[in-house]
Amino acid sequence: AQSVAQPEDQVNVAEGNPLTVKCTYSVSGNPYLFWYVQYPNRGLQFLLKYITGDNLVKGSYGFEAEFNKSQTSFHLKKPSALVSDSALYFCAVRDMQVKGDTGFQKLVFGTGTRLLVSP
Amino acid sequence: DARVTQTPRHKVTEMGQEVTMRCQPILGHNTVFWYRQTMMQGLELLAYFRNRAPLDDSGMPKDRFSAEMPDATLATLKIQPSEPRDSAVYFCASGPHVVGAPPYEQYFGPGTRLTVT
Repeated sequence: AQSVAQPEDQVNVAEGNPLTVKCTYSVSGNPYLFWYVQYPNRGLQFLLKYITGDNLVKGSYGFEAEFNKSQTSFHLKKPSALVSDSALYFCAVRDMQVKGDTGFQKLVFGTGTRLLVSP
Repeated sequence: DARVTQTPRHKVTEMGQEVTMRCQPILGHNTVFWYRQTMMQGLELLAYFRNRAPLDDSGMPKDRFSAEMPDATLATLKIQPSEPRDSAVYFCASGPHVVGAPPYEQYFGPGTRLTVT
């Protein structure tokens, strides 16, 4: 079974400081990994994804994430946080080993981490 | 700027009433997902359609929930009868599935906030 864990319910960071939002995953094979962001009263928005290739993935709004296979992690990072980055962040995983192209693109989402950037 | 649209944005209803939520996926997207978000359970996948056919609805309570795609531009989620425990935000998402291609990002609508009293 595939699963993803976001160990922190909330992350607090001062504006201008680097931020990290943690995510670890568990799959039987190799993973597809995603990060989404949810602003208040809005749907989830795609930030970035890891499919294969370079372990450092760059995404929207200056975010990036590093895939670490040995640590089964996919932490989201940004060098300099903005107050406007304050939102709920979700990590999601799909197992490459799911057989058969039923077209079933089920993602397993984490519980979310609330990022609060203070001025 | 293509977007997934959902109606209504807010719905307050009494227990026992029927609730219908609608979703218009992005034009050209052939997959539609219905999710439910609550504080306790987080984000749960209720149903998934590809080319208007239901592929999986194992996350949906079958006795009261039903999901359909009457045509490629409309997906519906119906609850009958509604119960207070159905209170949640319901999201629709769509995506462009291509056979054999890696997973794509899903595009989420703004959600329908349902309150059942």
